[in-house]
Amino acid sequence: GESVGLHLPTLSVQEGDNSIINCAYSNSASDYFIWYKQESGKGPQFIIDIRSNMDKRQGQRVTVLLNKTVKHLSLQIAATQPGDSAVYFCAESLDGGSYIPTFGRGTSLIVHP
Amino acid sequence: SQTIHQWPATLVQPVGSPLSLECTVEGTSNPNLYWYRQAAGRGLQLLFYSVGIGQISSEVSQNLSASRPQDRQFILSSKKLLLSDSGFYLCAWNLGASRLQETQYFGPGTRLLVL
Repeated sequence: GESVGLHLPTLSVQEGDNSIINCAYSNSASDYFIWYKQESGKGPQFIIDIRSNMDKRQGQRVTVLLNKTVKHLSLQIAATQPGDSAVYFCAESLDGGSYIPTFGRGTSLIVHP
Repeated sequence: SQTIHQWPATLVQPVGSPLSLECTVEGTSNPNLYWYRQAAGRGLQLLFYSVGIGQISSEVSQNLSASRPQDRQFILSSKKLLLSDSGFYLCAWNLGASRLQETQYFGPGTRLLVL
């Protein structure tokens, strides 16, 4: 589906700080969630995913938290680096569907050296 | 490992001209294939998807069409481009045979400017 919005939300952080990017998803039946990173002029790149039977999953420098009660997903990036500057998208999908995720509107992360 | 290619990377076309964008996937068989469009500063709009050769599902009514002549080839076309067709076109694939294979992987994209 299409994300709607005229301007992307922006998060500005200093290099070395921790970043938290939030996403509110729409369908309470969704049970699979993905975070993508899109650098300028490139295609989205898979970062991390989580299924609804979990509330936390950790990767390298990234952690995804899932709160099904309030339909909220967050991506935490530890010790943010300039190379983390990008647009971050969350996506949701549900069992019994066609495995086509619904993408959120995206958040632009700007890391200042 | 699997890789996905798109070409051209950039294209500038006059209004009313035809369009053909190509996407190919390597290293897998029978993938699901997807075409998305992304306007500047916006999210992803699903245009078409295909679960097999010759099988195309359209998500939006528009000036574009898609075809899948081979298992790992997906083509986005138009007979006459409109100014509103400008954007960043992304191809993606997944296996989609089960819940464990639904993550989509994206190509590098084609930036289309219609003048």
